[in-house]
Amino acid sequence: EAGVAQSPRYKIIEKRQSVAFWCNPISGHATLYWYQQILGQGPKLLIQFQNNGVVDDSQLPKDRFSAERLKGVDSTLKIQPAKLEDSAVYLCASRRDSLNSPLHFGNGTRLTVT
Amino acid sequence: AQSVTQLGSHVSVSEGALVLLRCNYSSSVPPYLFWYVQYPNQGLQLLLKYTTGATLVKGINGFEAEFKKSETSFHLTKPSAHMSDAAEYFCAVSDETGGFKTIFGAGTRLFVKA
Repeated sequence: EAGVAQSPRYKIIEKRQSVAFWCNPISGHATLYWYQQILGQGPKLLIQFQNNGVVDDSQLPKDRFSAERLKGVDSTLKIQPAKLEDSAVYLCASRRDSLNSPLHFGNGTRLTVT
Repeated sequence: AQSVTQLGSHVSVSEGALVLLRCNYSSSVPPYLFWYVQYPNQGLQLLLKYTTGATLVKGINGFEAEFKKSETSFHLTKPSAHMSDAAEYFCAVSDETGGFKTIFGAGTRLFVKA
């Protein structure tokens, strides 16, 4: 099966600019996650979708971050305006609808804010 | 609420030596436990998982982990380290109260010396 696709792989922007990341999960995976991984740290959950509904966005900085998953398939994560501390790798993951199913990760988007 | 603690941000072993990476978790209900590995510039890949049943689980590349409920631990081991094992390792927990949410530890970077 095809894996989780993310784009772009790298992005460099200046602070206060906006940026968007795209993710296409594995076909048939109803649950989709966006994680932020700052250098030297573990992935931190930003938002979790079940189909096209939000299950958990408690860690999403909603004043600047937004995410959507139209039609319950691919998803977009946006940052506007970006801050220096947003520099990180943004990982998208998907899983089947089962607790014992593991997450399948994309290769991530490395964002550098200057 | 779920949480994961990985003891030791860096572990260094000699090639051929035992690998032991420590993980302790917190969960109010029976947990589902995972170990993921991350190679440079890549997403996370599943090494192994514990859901129910046998508490000693075997994964890919010769790794195994043992679920010890009394110690709330899920330590990762490999009898003999190989140079290709050098990577970052993340322990993760998921349970029913989290609504499929998966929480990661901060990670342990494994160095393998020739």
